[in-house]
Amino acid sequence: DVKVTQSSRYLVKRTGEKVFLECVQDMDHENMFWYRQDPGLGLRLIYFSYDVKMKEKGDIPEGYSVSREKKERFSLILESASTNQTSMYLCASMSSTDTQYFGPGTRLTVL
Amino acid sequence: ILNVEQSPQSLHVQEGDSTNFTCSFPSSNFYALHWYRWETAKSPEALFVMTLNGDEKKKGRISATLNTKEGYSYLYIKGSQPEDSATYLCALRTNAGKSTFGDGTTLTVKP
Repeated sequence: DVKVTQSSRYLVKRTGEKVFLECVQDMDHENMFWYRQDPGLGLRLIYFSYDVKMKEKGDIPEGYSVSREKKERFSLILESASTNQTSMYLCASMSSTDTQYFGPGTRLTVL
Repeated sequence: ILNVEQSPQSLHVQEGDSTNFTCSFPSSNFYALHWYRWETAKSPEALFVMTLNGDEKKKGRISATLNTKEGYSYLYIKGSQPEDSATYLCALRTNAGKSTFGDGTTLTVKP
């Protein structure tokens, strides 16, 4: 079975802090994604990566950056956290059949 | 940003009822249409990947159809059970490589 793990299930940070959210997949998938999910809204794509050191902006990249130094790891960085970044963050990796496999999510609260 | 619309937003049915909901999307740049089921406190899980106009997929009591020319997909659940309660997400994958999710339909099945 594909396994996608995220570094934390719950995280509380203060405004202005730098925040790292880590995602690791164990199936050698090339494509990885970061989404956020807010009440009443679907998953919104922040960034995706189709290979090591490659990244593409999604629909809502403002205030975020990403890092893909190794194939299995895709990190989401909030350079200076703000209260409007309080959300559920989901990481996914995509198989060759186009199916996305999701991690358990990180619920981030920025105070 | 592509507009992927799901309706209804929520649905409450009795156990044993059959139900269906809709995903509408712009038909240009279509590559694939995905359905995911997202149960509370779990990660979204893939149900179907559909790529061809007229595709029909089935998994147990759940089935889906696809019309790429008019830009919609239907998800059907026959004889709903309480364990079918979840949010059902559709996602449109375009040639650009990223997926745009709808806001989801939340199904509640009452025993």
